[in-house]
Amino acid sequence: DAGITQSPRHKVTETGTPVTLRCHQTENHRYMYWYRQDPGHGLRLIHYSYGVKDTDKGEVSDGYSVSRSKTEDFLLTLESATSSQTSVYFCAISELTGGGYTQYFGPGTRLTVL
Amino acid sequence: DQQVKQNSPSLSVQEGRISILNCDYTNSMFDYFLWYKKYPAEGPTFLISISSIKDKNEDGRFTVFLNKSAKHLSLHIVPSQPGDSAVYFCAASAHRGKLTFGTGTQLKVEL
Repeated sequence: DAGITQSPRHKVTETGTPVTLRCHQTENHRYMYWYRQDPGHGLRLIHYSYGVKDTDKGEVSDGYSVSRSKTEDFLLTLESATSSQTSVYFCAISELTGGGYTQYFGPGTRLTVL
Repeated sequence: DQQVKQNSPSLSVQEGRISILNCDYTNSMFDYFLWYKKYPAEGPTFLISISSIKDKNEDGRFTVFLNKSAKHLSLHIVPSQPGDSAVYFCAASAHRGKLTFGTGTQLKVEL
């Protein structure tokens, strides 16, 4: 257990509304990531962070923004939600192990955009 | 361009037999490979990993094999148990922990 929580766990919203998902970790990990999981696509990286106020885009970042003002919190914002953003969103942290960086995931947030 | 591929969407094996899940990659810069297991409504759980300097890593019933020349890795589960039924994702890393995932293989272990 890497001490990762995500909130909310489920959310239904309407097209055009802003949505913010929160990832909270308790173990002072420097690296944090946001993914979305969709059938046929596996997990795809949205944004990641290497520290406070240090973020960068992943492969599917359009329509998403992130913020990290504290080490423990990494926020994902959908500025104006669209139906194509209906997905399951996972947050992860990474730890350097013997061979490389291993990521550990939170429980996920299921987002439905109507 | 899918850099990590799992060509078998599903696999069914009998309890007690070996499960072999396969993964191919195209990016020669990948140097660390991981397998994750995922149950419905839960986050992926780290299972086992291997560095590119090795060709095999074993942890209990799970063994990962890496063939760098073929850009291929496989996960062997022996013996398979019903609780192993889940979706398995392979992932690869080239830079500071960023992972590229395959699309997953649904494993079903039947009694």
